[in-house]
Amino acid sequence: AQSVTQLDSHVSVSEGTPVLLRCNYSSSYSPSLFWYVQHPNKGLQLLLKYTSAATLVKGINGFEAEFKKSETSFHLTKPSAHMSDAAEYFCVVSDREAGGTSYGKLTFGQGTILTVHP
Amino acid sequence: EAQVTQNPRYLITVTGKKLTVTCSQNMNHEYMSWYRQDPGLGLRQIYYSMNVEVTDKGDVPEGYKVSRKEKRNFPLILESPSPNQTSLYFCASSLNPGVEEYNEQFFGPGTRLTVL
Repeated sequence: AQSVTQLDSHVSVSEGTPVLLRCNYSSSYSPSLFWYVQHPNKGLQLLLKYTSAATLVKGINGFEAEFKKSETSFHLTKPSAHMSDAAEYFCVVSDREAGGTSYGKLTFGQGTILTVHP
Repeated sequence: EAQVTQNPRYLITVTGKKLTVTCSQNMNHEYMSWYRQDPGLGLRQIYYSMNVEVTDKGDVPEGYKVSRKEKRNFPLILESPSPNQTSLYFCASSLNPGVEEYNEQFFGPGTRLTVL
């Protein structure tokens, strides 16, 4: 079974300061990991995804995430927050193993609401 | 433009009145799925389909039906809606969940359903 825990339900930062959104996962098979962002009253947009090619993943809008297998973590970071980053962020895991009971299914964390203060 | 479309975007209905939310993708994706989003719970999978005529239950299938008669369409059917099905619904599609290069899921804009 796969699961995701986002360690903070709310994160508040000042504009121009670093952002850290924490995510831990568990997966029985070789996982794919994603971060999605949802702006208020909008749909879900893919920020970045982990593939086995590289543990440090760069996404859109200056966001990065590092896959750490030993820690089962996939934290999202950004060096300098912008007002437009205010949104809800979801860490997502998906099993890639064909035949697994979770094949193709996305399991979402509960979400982290990021607030950016001027 | 490559996209997933859903209709309607907003719907208010009453308990017991059958409804269908349509979902269509123009990317020739094999995999399609429905999720519901509720505050504090993230998104939870309702049903998914690996290909035409192949569907299976997700985590919260009770009270829902789906069909996949064509590759591009994956409607969600609520035969007898109840107030606990009030939620925000998303349809998603993926080319191939088993292949890294193609496993990201593209989401529709969402359908906000209220059942009175």
